[in-house]
Amino acid sequence: QKEVEQDPGPLSVPEGAIVSLNCTYSNSAFQYFMWYRQYSRKGPELLMYTYSSGNKEDGRFTAQVDKSSKYISLFIRDSQPSDSATYLCAMSETDDKIIFGKGTRLHILP
Amino acid sequence: DGGITQSPKYLFRKEGQNVTLSCEQNLNHDAMYWYRQDPGQGLRLIYYSQIVNDFQKGDIAEGYSVSREKKESFPLTVTSAQKNPTAFYLCASSTDRSTDTQYFGPGTRLTVL
Repeated sequence: QKEVEQDPGPLSVPEGAIVSLNCTYSNSAFQYFMWYRQYSRKGPELLMYTYSSGNKEDGRFTAQVDKSSKYISLFIRDSQPSDSATYLCAMSETDDKIIFGKGTRLHILP
Repeated sequence: DGGITQSPKYLFRKEGQNVTLSCEQNLNHDAMYWYRQDPGQGLRLIYYSQIVNDFQKGDIAEGYSVSREKKESFPLTVTSAQKNPTAFYLCASSTDRSTDTQYFGPGTRLTVL
């Protein structure tokens, strides 16, 4: 079983819809969870960073961590065509390397 | 402007040649990383460095070499021993090795002709 699983998509949704992106993981020792956005031919940029379980909100973005289910989510409200990108989840244990998901390609249709 | 720069953006190499990719950061970060990104495979760690004059192999170090002579710079050399070097290469940095998040450069697309 791979450490981090992420559906590659593509996921296509109409503009204005709520988008839900998800990752599952197998290592219960992961404590730090991140979401990156990567536009085509660019480096990933950090969107959200959370520690342990719970929710974190930043503008239109909400990150959710459910450690009991080993499941993390990123919600995008009022999606825009500029949100079209690949979204990478990432996570790590304390004092260990970051493990990245393979990314989900998202298309927001105008 | 603070950030991470990588150069060149696109690089072409003939088979059998070594090539060096540049990565510079002015964020005063201690740790720096090199990843390779291939379609459908996500990010794979090549090398990382937590401090000047020290670096460690990542998951796919074979055919690559690095140096860390200055805090700001972490160049990656793709040697002729790397069997399949065509890929998108990403450099990242963080304040330390442990739990701090990593910030990425814009990447270098290497194509072997």
